[in-house]
Amino acid sequence: GAGVSQSPRYKVAKRGQDVALRCDPISGHVSLFWYQQALGQGPEFLTYFQNEAQLDKSGLPSDRFFAERPEGSVSTLKIQRTQQEDSAVYLCASSFNGYEQYFGPGTRLTVT
Amino acid sequence: DQQVKQNSPSLSVQEGRISILNCDYTNSMFDYFLWYKKYPAEGPTFLISISSIKDKNEDGRFTVFLNKSAKHLSLHIVPSQPGDSAVYFCAACLVNNNDMRFGAGTRLTVKP
Repeated sequence: GAGVSQSPRYKVAKRGQDVALRCDPISGHVSLFWYQQALGQGPEFLTYFQNEAQLDKSGLPSDRFFAERPEGSVSTLKIQRTQQEDSAVYLCASSFNGYEQYFGPGTRLTVT
Repeated sequence: DQQVKQNSPSLSVQEGRISILNCDYTNSMFDYFLWYKKYPAEGPTFLISISSIKDKNEDGRFTVFLNKSAKHLSLHIVPSQPGDSAVYFCAACLVNNNDMRFGAGTRLTVKP
């Protein structure tokens, strides 16, 4: 079956621009996670959804970051007024039990 | 506050020999541990996991050992194959809390 997909795979944004990153989870997975991975580091938790409910957004670094999953399936991570420190790989993962997570390929965001 | 640490950024082994990847954690409340494998330009792929009620879990060539008193886990790959060359991430979480913490990763190179 299809795995987790993310789009776009690469995004270059000028500082100050808004970006939207999309995640299509594995069908039937109720849990969905967003992570930020800086170069040479492991993934850092951003936010978590169970169906359409955002149960934890404690990892979002600032109020410029916003995530939604309105119908409990596809999710979008939006970053407003991007800054250079936002440059990273953004990973989405879905799970059927919450802890065995299946990751997408990530979106590499470069802010110039 | 890095709760999961992988102190070896890289490891090189000969094909056919054993690879041992190590991971330490600080939060004694973690009750589920996972290893992920990551190839370039792909998301992490779930490899093997272990619950805190066990001290060993084996799946083919891969075995994870957990030493709760030392807050240490390791991944053994026997025999190592060139296709095992990748970055390996250790992760830990509380089953009732979906906040998963990752180590920074260890790059394994298996030489033919």
